[in-house]
Amino acid sequence: DIQMTQSPASLSASLGETVTIECLASEDIYSNLAWYQQKPGKSPQLLIYDASSLQDGVPSRFSGSESGTQYSLEINSLQSEDAATYFCQQHHDYPFTFGSGTKLEIK
Amino acid sequence: EVQLVESGGGLVQPGRSLKLSCAASGFTFSDYNMAWVRQAPTKGLEWVASISYGGSNTHYGDSVKGRFTISRDNAKSTLYLQMDSLRSEDTATYYCARLEIHTMAMGVWGQGVMVTVSS
Repeated sequence: DIQMTQSPASLSASLGETVTIECLASEDIYSNLAWYQQKPGKSPQLLIYDASSLQDGVPSRFSGSESGTQYSLEINSLQSEDAATYFCQQHHDYPFTFGSGTKLEIK
Repeated sequence: EVQLVESGGGLVQPGRSLKLSCAASGFTFSDYNMAWVRQAPTKGLEWVASISYGGSNTHYGDSVKGRFTISRDNAKSTLYLQMDSLRSEDTATYYCARLEIHTMAMGVWGQGVMVTVSS
């Protein structure tokens, strides 16, 4: 199974700042990587698919990138509504696997 | 409006069975691969199973293989998850999700249904 190592587990940042969350795949997943946002008590929402494609309706301050087997989610100009837990997920090979999540707090 | 609505959750004893349903609306259900994902209380997301748009191909996570069965009825636009031999570690909120065409990312999610396995 492909392992997804996500970091950091949590972070705290101020309004307007930029943060980066990373996921390292245990093998090549050929850009088949998605990022999801989950707010407390809510279902996950797709932000990014295929490593860097922005899902319809998602603000452009969210972006995804990759370097080898390392994938990153960047959030620019942090807003209060960005407080949530973020998960990566590889959708290259079964079983699909998720990262362990990053809880983002807005100061 | 594109919507997925799960039902069938509840409290069940270890070793017993439960069947979840997910009613789809607002899109052509038979065009999409579908999946179940679960989340134990205060834990992360775990992919459970997926099924192809026609129902002929299924895949399962290691923790549920041989105990859970995913199926669909395209005429009723409904996805199912039959859960047998339930264990306490199956306690979770179960989400159904739509896998987007041309990618396998999960673009639409239901609100989730809680399953508690306890004596």
